[in-house]
Amino acid sequence: AQTVTQSQPEMSVQEAETVTLSCTYDTSESDYYLFWYKQPPSRQMILVIRQEAYKQQNATENRFSVNFQKAAKSFSLKISDSQLGDAAMYFCAYRGNTDKLIFGTGTRLQVFP
Amino acid sequence: DAGITQSPRYKITETGRQVTLMCHQTWSHSYMFWYRQDLGHGLRLIYYSAAADITDKGEVPDGYVVSRSKTENFPLTLESATRSQTSVYFCASTNADSRMLYFGPGTRLTVT
Repeated sequence: AQTVTQSQPEMSVQEAETVTLSCTYDTSESDYYLFWYKQPPSRQMILVIRQEAYKQQNATENRFSVNFQKAAKSFSLKISDSQLGDAAMYFCAYRGNTDKLIFGTGTRLQVFP
Repeated sequence: DAGITQSPRYKITETGRQVTLMCHQTWSHSYMFWYRQDLGHGLRLIYYSAAADITDKGEVPDGYVVSRSKTENFPLTLESATRSQTSVYFCASTNADSRMLYFGPGTRLTVT
């Protein structure tokens, strides 16, 4: 069975600085998708970025980028120029051939002015 | 408005009662999912459905029942609620060719 692990329950960053959130996963599948979701206090789940496993190029979305290391089964999220609005829970997720989307336990990000 | 809605948004019930959480989406997405979110556990998949009349168990299905008679609706029923089922429940949907999951606003359920 696939698993997703986020080993950092909490992280903090100063405004305008860069922070990296870690995620590792375990799977025997070769074709899959990886996601980072943001959950602000409103509880709504917001897609931040996604990565197709067959693509070697790391995905980027404005200030958000990933470091996808397929062999190491690692999928970290880098947030550049952090803003106060980035404070939230961040979840890493995996979706493979079974169509289930499996989530990690989340990392709470605090942003200090 | 188009989107995915959940009702009720908040529910308090007693141990042993049957409770149904509703989920409705207007995109005609084929896939729908139910998750529960608990502190320290992230989001855990309860059940999912690939199409009308097709449902499958997720990570934590015990104590829950689902049905999918219509594509747009995916109700989740707690047959005999227990305190351990106190949680926030999220419904989500997507198409087969889309790997993005769209979430509803969540239902906060308290079992006393």
